[in-house]
Amino acid sequence: EAQVTQNPRYLITVTGKKLTVTCSQNMNHEYMSWYRQDPGLGLRQIYYSMNVEVTDKGDVPEGYKVSRKEKRNFPLILESPSPNQTSLYFCASRLQGAVGYTFGSGTRLTVV
Amino acid sequence: DQQVKQNSPSLSVQEGRISILNCDYTNSMFDYFLWYKKYPAEGPTFLISISSIKDKNEDGRFTVFLNKSAKHLSLHIVPSQPGDSAVYFCAASGSGNRGSTLGRLYFGRGTQLTVWP
Repeated sequence: EAQVTQNPRYLITVTGKKLTVTCSQNMNHEYMSWYRQDPGLGLRQIYYSMNVEVTDKGDVPEGYKVSRKEKRNFPLILESPSPNQTSLYFCASRLQGAVGYTFGSGTRLTVV
Repeated sequence: DQQVKQNSPSLSVQEGRISILNCDYTNSMFDYFLWYKKYPAEGPTFLISISSIKDKNEDGRFTVFLNKSAKHLSLHIVPSQPGDSAVYFCAASGSGNRGSTLGRLYFGRGTQLTVWP
């Protein structure tokens, strides 16, 4: 089944403890992206990647890192999480030339 | 500053009637406009899109209208069904041409649609 898989689905962590949220897609998509969803703010793009080793900042990149060493994987790294990064995170991918992204099921992160 | 705006946080419609969700944008360089539907505990799912060179696109019960001069688009759902109850996000993207940014997808804040029997 064609899909974007994020792990974990739920995560509670403490301030300052480094964490990684994984994202993998099996559709051979060139583009991948991370979004966060917050109440009243909609979906905001954190980082995106147009292909292997090509990444760029979205609207809210502060406090996050990404890497794209392989086409299928696009992990989101929080080096020193803070409570304001408590949010619902979505990974997404799309083919070059396509219009819409396919989204994963989300990761709910709580930083205490 | 938000480039895609959905000014109605919620909409309530009776089953069988038309639902109209509205969206405004500020960047005239956008090449595509999309609507996503989101149920709780799930990721957004793509619903319908329209190119900036069109003014209407229809897919079954869903029709999107684009008014470029007003920088406004709307999603019409006819007839509305209880299963349509979800949050609807308007989004816009560029193709990389005309100075627009490839890879970026800008979302509005969403409209919660409730369809009651």
